[in-house]
Amino acid sequence: SQTIHQWPATLVQPVGSPLSLECTVEGTSNPNLYWYRQAAGRGLQLLFYSVGIGQISSEVPQNLSASRPQDRQFILSSKKLLLSDSGFYLCAWSPSLRYGYTFGSGTRLTVV
Amino acid sequence: AQRVTQPEKLLSVFKGAPVELKCNYSYSGSPELFWYVQYSRQRLQLLLRHISRESIKGFTADLNKGETSFHLKKPFAQEEDSAMYYCALEGAQKLVFGQGTRLTINP
Repeated sequence: SQTIHQWPATLVQPVGSPLSLECTVEGTSNPNLYWYRQAAGRGLQLLFYSVGIGQISSEVPQNLSASRPQDRQFILSSKKLLLSDSGFYLCAWSPSLRYGYTFGSGTRLTVV
Repeated sequence: AQRVTQPEKLLSVFKGAPVELKCNYSYSGSPELFWYVQYSRQRLQLLLRHISRESIKGFTADLNKGETSFHLKKPFAQEEDSAMYYCALEGAQKLVFGQGTRLTINP
């Protein structure tokens, strides 16, 4: 069966430090992969999505970037974190359109 | 552009009462619509999708293209239905969510 792993679960980072959040999917190939941010009062905001290795689409211009170095690996990064980057980050995958997405357990990022 | 609107941030009903969580969408193509639920301390998970015309945990949702709505309904609320509910629209290879409605079922 397919599983999605996301880590770390919580992270406290100082302003100006780099960030790397990792997401991997097991049990499938060529999944569509997504990064969302869940902020209080703002719902779920799509940040990046990828339909294949090396293919990244950005939805919101900001201080973050994403990469997909392998078929089932999706990484969210930042070179210098801002206070406004704090939030709950969710990775998700989908086998194809119309089947809904499966979400990871999320990473709570606090920038101090 | 895809947009999903959930007009109620908070909804509180009594156990046994009917529940309706509203969702309206904007999309120029043929939408695929979903409801997701997040129970306390659990992952966000798929509740139901309109293409399946299914009923999950007593919830149903009907797509009304004329009103561009996909409201979630349950005739008799249960305490375990308390959770955060998100309506979502899939189009152009991405899923766009509404801002969510926190449903509280009072005993």
